[in-house]
Amino acid sequence: ETGVTQTPRHLVMGMTNKKSLKCEQHLGHNAMYWYKQSAKKPLELMFVYSLEERVENNSVPSRFSPECPNSSHLFLHLHTLQPEDSALYLCASSQTPGQGAGEQYFGPGTRLTVT
Amino acid sequence: GQNIDQPTEMTATEGAIVQINCTYQTSGFNGLFWYQQHAGEAPTFLSYNVLDGLEEKGRFSSFLSRSKGYSYLLLKELQMKDSASYLCAVMDSNYQLIWGAGTKLIIKP
Repeated sequence: ETGVTQTPRHLVMGMTNKKSLKCEQHLGHNAMYWYKQSAKKPLELMFVYSLEERVENNSVPSRFSPECPNSSHLFLHLHTLQPEDSALYLCASSQTPGQGAGEQYFGPGTRLTVT
Repeated sequence: GQNIDQPTEMTATEGAIVQINCTYQTSGFNGLFWYQQHAGEAPTFLSYNVLDGLEEKGRFSSFLSRSKGYSYLLLKELQMKDSASYLCAVMDSNYQLIWGAGTKLIIKP
């Protein structure tokens, strides 16, 4: 595997379910990100981890819970979601912000539908 | 507040040239990025500008004017595969990326 991978690619879940999204990066980066992408809206940054510590949490509802066990893996745990949470969830990685250009490399995303 | 503005949609003809503009107002500036995103796919990195001027990379060029809070992405010799959304993003003083909503580019034969 190369680059940034995400599983699953598609997920349909009910509002009472619990599920987890997984992201893995093979680029040797030390920062990882979760974004939410809704139609015709800018990418919304949800969480940032740098060197495995959470450095950003942009007022995301507690029904989204991130976990970063090491610099290569990132999870997003989901529970009691709402229909408005249906979106494309993108994972990205980069070198630590401030070191070099800091361009982010994205995974293919998980298309989430909450019913 | 922080704001990135770019046109919602543009149409151009195969073989032609198109310029996609981006204006920004952010708390600090640590570089401007352009990404390409095909429908149903992840964004992919195209270019990075931190100093004023033009950066050329094959058929794509990106320009930055920090004093005007302005950038553009220039695509030459358009091909059908260039049909995609183009995202402008600025890295602010906290090294966070502030994203525009993207410009959907439609290429017609």
